[in-house]
This record gives sequence, structure tokens and C-alpha cells, in this order.
Amino acid sequence: ETGVTQTPRHLVMGMTNKKSLKCEQHLGHNAMYWYKQSAKKPLELMFVYNFKEQTENNSVPSRFSPECPNSSHLFLHLHTLQPEDSALYLCASSPLGERDEQFFGPGTRLTVL
Amino acid sequence: GNSVTQMEGPVTLSEEAFLTINCTYTATGYPSLFWYVQYPGEGLQLLLKATKADDKGSNKGFEATYRKETTSFHLEKGSVQVSDSAVYFCALGPGTALIFGKGTTLSVSS
Repeated sequence: ETGVTQTPRHLVMGMTNKKSLKCEQHLGHNAMYWYKQSAKKPLELMFVYNFKEQTENNSVPSRFSPECPNSSHLFLHLHTLQPEDSALYLCASSPLGERDEQFFGPGTRLTVL
Repeated sequence: GNSVTQMEGPVTLSEEAFLTINCTYTATGYPSLFWYVQYPGEGLQLLLKATKADDKGSNKGFEATYRKETTSFHLEKGSVQVSDSAVYFCALGPGTALIFGKGTTLSVSS
């Protein structure tokens, strides 16, 4: 248990659905991240939030929409996804410092039909 | 730009064998280096880290030394166990987000 929780753990959705992934951290960290992990590909950083402000968007398609209402919660809103978006989506947090480790949640396994 | 290169897997070993997983990096400045481990069905967990040249990170019998002259951070363990079977990721921290290698799958059999 790393102090970062993600829900749901598994999600199956059609291409026309709208769903949201939720991440919560109980560590008092100020930075939160979304990563995408696909088979046979490196982890891809999607978004970075520092003190609730988005500081990085790694050329992510607009069908992925992040939201960070406070330093403890991070959402990823999904709409009109494609089958190639099927992956493990990992949330992480860190205290906010260039040399700080990141703490990861268990991930949400997303399947787009 | 910044990047991490890990040896391709999978790595298959017998219990008590010696493990080395190679990791080299390209970076400007003085990044931190990390090894993360991912067990089946779980997220990534920090295994060890080093924040400056010649630092040695260690945890659970695993070690890695930050070698600036060879830009490497190889992971080693003297005697692996079946429970070490997982995917291992080398990562580089030049800033607030990490850059990960592709991961190396380790399978240990008894």
C-alpha cells in the first residue's frame, strides 16, 4: 500500500461512452501525475499537476481530459476513446521536488471495445 | 534529449543466481536515478534510488551505483528469489516528471 488509490481497478467501455478515472493520495504531496502503460511500450507521461495547476500536457489527445480539484485528488475524464487507448493508466504523486521519488497507485486497467 | 535505455528481456534465472539488469542514460545536468519494480497486477514501487554520482542505492538485497563516467545505473542482486519475479524499470529524474526505460521482465524459477 503506497498511499495512492485508484478507482476503478478495471473498466470496460465502448467508444461512445464517457467515464472517469479517479486517483486519491493520502501522503500530503503537492504533485500528481497520469501515466499510460501499454504493452511493449515505455511508460508514457500524460499530465502533471503541481499545486492543482497543470504544468505539463504531453501532447495527449483531447479525448482525455484531466481535472485536479485539490492536491489530493486527480481525475481523468474519458470520452469517445479508441481501441488503441486500451492500457493500464497509472496515477502517481510526489512531494514536489526534482529529486523526489514518485509513489504510484495500482492502476486502472482500461479496455475500449 | 533525456532518455533511458534498458537491456531487453525477458531475463530467466534459477533461484540463487546472480542478477544484473543494465541501464544507461542520456541526460543534461545531474539527474536522479531510480529503479522501480512492478509485480503482477500492481503499480510501480520504488526499489532504490541515487541522487548524485557514485551514490549507491540499495534495498531488499538489490544494489545500483550511479556511474557518471559510464552514464550507467545497473541493477544487481547476488542471489535472486522466486518472489523477485517482476518487471523492473530504470528511470531518470531530470525534473518533476520521470523518464522510464521500457522495463525488463525477470522470471525466477525454483
